[in-house]
Amino acid sequence: KAGVTQTPRYLIKTRGQQVTLSCSPISGHRSVSWYQQTPGQGLQFLFEYFSETQRNKGNFPGRFSGRQFSNSRSEMNVSTLELGDSALYLCASSLVPGEWNEQFFGPGTRLTVL
Amino acid sequence: TQLLEQSPQFLSIQEGENLTVYCNSSSVFSSLQWYRQEPGEGPVLLVTVVTGGEVKKLKRLTFQFGDARKDSSLHITAAQPGDTGLYLCAGATGNQFYFGTGTSLTVIP
Repeated sequence: KAGVTQTPRYLIKTRGQQVTLSCSPISGHRSVSWYQQTPGQGLQFLFEYFSETQRNKGNFPGRFSGRQFSNSRSEMNVSTLELGDSALYLCASSLVPGEWNEQFFGPGTRLTVL
Repeated sequence: TQLLEQSPQFLSIQEGENLTVYCNSSSVFSSLQWYRQEPGEGPVLLVTVVTGGEVKKLKRLTFQFGDARKDSSLHITAAQPGDTGLYLCAGATGNQFYFGTGTSLTVIP
């Protein structure tokens, strides 16, 4: 079956703009998590959605937001972009939430903020 | 704040050598996972360990969870070029995964 897909794969924006990233989970998976990966900070948890509800949130400013649709697809939005938002944004899906369920990661969206 | 520190950060070895990667924390985790990430791709789960002192083997890879569930190690025997990648540990606590700083491994043919 198809894996987790993320669009777009690459994105270049300028400071102050906003951006929306999309994630389609594996068919049947209802939980979607978002992570930010940078060389300095590594992989950091942004938020998790299940059944269209945000279930958990990491320590990121309110400029970072997300949502999940009834078909489990998810989007994340970053407003008023800053240079430090340049990163690889990874989406992971699992059947249901919980640390005992395997997460499957997508290839990520590489965001560059100029 | 990084809950999990990995060492070494970078490792370059010859094919056939053995290596160990460490994942340490002062926090207790209910489970710990190891992932491998290759360039241009997302991390792929290798193993999950849940019991203190647990040892799991996956072909040439041996994973150990510390008795106190605060640390873990990954040992690779007779490394091969296909083992090249970024190795990440991730601890689960409070319904959230905290990832380690990563170990970039290069195996030279």
